[in-house]
Amino acid sequence: GDSVTQMEGPVTLSEEAFLTINCTYTATGYPSLFWYVQYPGEGLQLLLKATKADDKGSNKGFEATYRKETTSFHLEKGSVQVSDSAVYFCALSGTTGGSYIPTFGRGTSLIVHP
Amino acid sequence: EAGVTQSPTHLIKTRGQQVTLRCSPISGHTSVYWYQQALGLGLQFLLWYDEGEERNRGNFPPRFSGRQFPNYSSELNVNALELEDSALYLCASRLPGGPGTDTIYFGEGSWLTVV
Repeated sequence: GDSVTQMEGPVTLSEEAFLTINCTYTATGYPSLFWYVQYPGEGLQLLLKATKADDKGSNKGFEATYRKETTSFHLEKGSVQVSDSAVYFCALSGTTGGSYIPTFGRGTSLIVHP
Repeated sequence: EAGVTQSPTHLIKTRGQQVTLRCSPISGHTSVYWYQQALGLGLQFLLWYDEGEERNRGNFPPRFSGRQFPNYSSELNVNALELEDSALYLCASRLPGGPGTDTIYFGEGSWLTVV
């Protein structure tokens, strides 16, 4: 079945540092790929998405490129802020027998210090 | 446009009791998903409803059940609550259709504490 693997957290950075959170996936067919963000005490918000190979999703300075050859969708940001501290979830939405059930990674906690 | 709304936001129940959580999807969305997020764990898929029918369920016991109403809102019911049911329950909704409408949008969740 489909699966998503994210790097273990927490990731701890200083403000203005470069961020990479790794995400790899296993899926049949051509899934859409997503990053969601969960701020403390809140639900998940869609951060960005990509629907086909080589697509780049971007939002709020975050970027991720759909790499079919390496089955990866790594999240990057050039300069993180304290307000970026949250849990980040990588997800895919494929179809298994016509069943549209998104599959999520376990989440990666990001802590940004001033 | 209103997002996915869930109620109640927080509740405390005693072991053995029953609870009902409610979800209203975004207008025009016909699919509703329920996930459980226990402390320190990721999102565990519970149930998927589409057009009023249960389409799939995750690996949870039968005491977790739900339904979807004609207006596409949904309820999640948990019977015989156990301490390990303490978690954030997240509802998400999606537009009808195939892969081109595969983005799901979450509500803020319902925090359930079982004591």
